[in-house]
Amino acid sequence: DAGVTQSPTHLIKTRGQHVTLRCSPISGHKSVSWYQQVLGQGPQFIFQYYEKEERGRGNFPDRFSARQFPNYSSELNVNALLLGDSALYLCASSLARATDTQYFGPGTRLTVL
Amino acid sequence: QQQVKQSPQSLIVQKGGISIINCAYENTAFDYFPWYQQFPGKGPALLIAIRPDVSEKKEGRFTISFNKSAKQFSLHIMDSQPGDSATYFCAASMGANAGNMLTFGGGTRLMVKP
Repeated sequence: DAGVTQSPTHLIKTRGQHVTLRCSPISGHKSVSWYQQVLGQGPQFIFQYYEKEERGRGNFPDRFSARQFPNYSSELNVNALLLGDSALYLCASSLARATDTQYFGPGTRLTVL
Repeated sequence: QQQVKQSPQSLIVQKGGISIINCAYENTAFDYFPWYQQFPGKGPALLIAIRPDVSEKKEGRFTISFNKSAKQFSLHIMDSQPGDSATYFCAASMGANAGNMLTFGGGTRLMVKP
């Protein structure tokens, strides 16, 4: 079975631009979570989506938004990019909202210049 | 306080030795404690996890020790191998009521010398 997939692998943007990152969960998984991992630090929780609804939100500004589609794939959108948004963006999927085990994708490396 | 504190930041171990990484937490609502392994350019991969009702869990060369009263837990890697060289993260979660949000420690970069 394929694991969590994310696209694109790498992305370079300039300050003020908008970016959309995509995630496909493991087949059968209905919950998707997004994390931001700044170089040298542990991942930080951004959002969790389950059954197309936001179920959890971390301490991130409103420039960050996400959605989940009927096929359980998800998009993370970041508006008005700042230099500090440069990071590895990780998507994790789990079977259901109440399931603890989260499986991470390889991430999208975003560089903001 | 949601923070999970991890130590050491880096660790060098000889092949065949024991690697020990420690984590401490404050929030007693945490009820799930996983450890993740991350190689450069890859996403974190789940190694082993424990719940507070168990003091120890072993899977192969990896063991989690959990001390609920001290609010501490640790990862022991027995017979460490060069292939174990990676960054290790502890994490904690409050389960479904918090959207299964994982709070991660800062990471430990392990190098196993041949």
